[in-house]
Amino acid sequence: GQQVMQIPQYQHVQEGEDFTTYCNSSTTLSNIQWYKQRPGGHPVFLIQLVKSGEVKKQKRLTFQFGEAKKNSSLHITATQTTDVGTYFCRPSLDRGSTLGRLYFGRGTQLTVWP
Amino acid sequence: DGGITQSPKYLFRKEGQNVTLSCEQNLNHDAMYWYRQDPGQGLRLIYYSQIVNDFQKGDIAEGYSVSREKKESFPLTVTSAQKNPTAFYLCASSARQGFYTEAFFGQGTRLTVV
Repeated sequence: GQQVMQIPQYQHVQEGEDFTTYCNSSTTLSNIQWYKQRPGGHPVFLIQLVKSGEVKKQKRLTFQFGEAKKNSSLHITATQTTDVGTYFCRPSLDRGSTLGRLYFGRGTQLTVWP
Repeated sequence: DGGITQSPKYLFRKEGQNVTLSCEQNLNHDAMYWYRQDPGQGLRLIYYSQIVNDFQKGDIAEGYSVSREKKESFPLTVTSAQKNPTAFYLCASSARQGFYTEAFFGQGTRLTVV
């Protein structure tokens, strides 16, 4: 079953507000990936985090991996309507095998009001 | 162009009928997956395959069957035993081994039982 708890399940924000989604694991992770699924579309890979405490940025998106490698977050600064969609995390328990990468977080569905 | 193709995009089925969803990839990936997504829900794992002629059940395999006779192909059959088959079905693939193995998704098949 699910390896991580992703929260919140839904988030509604006004355009320009910030947004954050979290993935929390009870187990130390090897790495974690983040995906975005637009309404009616399919999930698309955004980024992978590997190192303890790692922070990566993609324009207005900031991805963090916790020091203990059990938590991760995706933060969007000043949301835009193009950010609408569902954001999934995908934890990996095993760096070398697909067996550790079977599951995704439940996802956070982001709605942005203009 | 390399990618993963699902067909058809929309599928209607009468109750009591089996139906097969196609998934083909030309990414030379060993691992392939089938997920089911219900409205507002996450990705639930149906079946996965790490190598040709081998596949394993996921969390919700009942009422579904798969085959992996070729590396490129991983078709999913939704049988009449599946109690609630109306859903969005996503196929994905990834490299089996290796550290940086993102999942690539097909466009999905939206199945409706009428």
